[in-house]
Amino acid sequence: AQSVAQPEDQVNVAEGNPLTVKCTYSVSGNPYLFWYVQYPNRGLQFLLKYITGDNLVKGSYGFEAEFNKSQTSFHLKKPSALVSDSALYFCAVRAGHRGSTLGRLYFGRGTQLTVWP
Amino acid sequence: DGGITQSPKYLFRKEGQNVTLSCEQNLNHDAMYWYRQDPGQGLRLIYYSQIVNDFQKGDIAEGYSVSREKKESFPLTVTSAQKNPTAFYLCASAKSGEQYFGPGTRLTVT
Repeated sequence: AQSVAQPEDQVNVAEGNPLTVKCTYSVSGNPYLFWYVQYPNRGLQFLLKYITGDNLVKGSYGFEAEFNKSQTSFHLKKPSALVSDSALYFCAVRAGHRGSTLGRLYFGRGTQLTVWP
Repeated sequence: DGGITQSPKYLFRKEGQNVTLSCEQNLNHDAMYWYRQDPGQGLRLIYYSQIVNDFQKGDIAEGYSVSREKKESFPLTVTSAQKNPTAFYLCASAKSGEQYFGPGTRLTVT
């Protein structure tokens, strides 16, 4: 069965400091991993994805994530946090054939990131 | 929020009434999804559809119904059988597994 765990409900970090939002997953076969961000009363916005290739994936707004197969993790990182990064972050996983829409996404419960000035 | 629209943004209904939430996409995506979001519970899948005239139940389908008569449209009906319908509802469409989300509809039932 597919599942995602985001062990921290909240992450607080000072502006300018590096941030990490943690995600671990369980999936049958090769994982396709995603990070999304949600601002209040809005839909989810895509940040980045890992399908195959380089374990370090770069995405929107300066975010990156590192795929670690042995630890089944896909932590989201940013070298220098901004106040505007404050939002709800979701990790998601799916298994399926590359290029196919088959295979639903399984989401974590979300991590609320707060960046204080 | 891309080419996916959900209307209305806020919806109020009395208990016992059915209500239909609209979701339209112009991205030519085959797959569409409905999620329910409650505080602290993340996103839970209600229904999804891979192609026109076909759909599958997700994890919390009880009290909900859908139709997929057109590729562009995937309306969700919240029936009176849904015990706790007040929530934020998100629609998504997908291509190559990557999902694109609409802006959401906040439904309040009193």
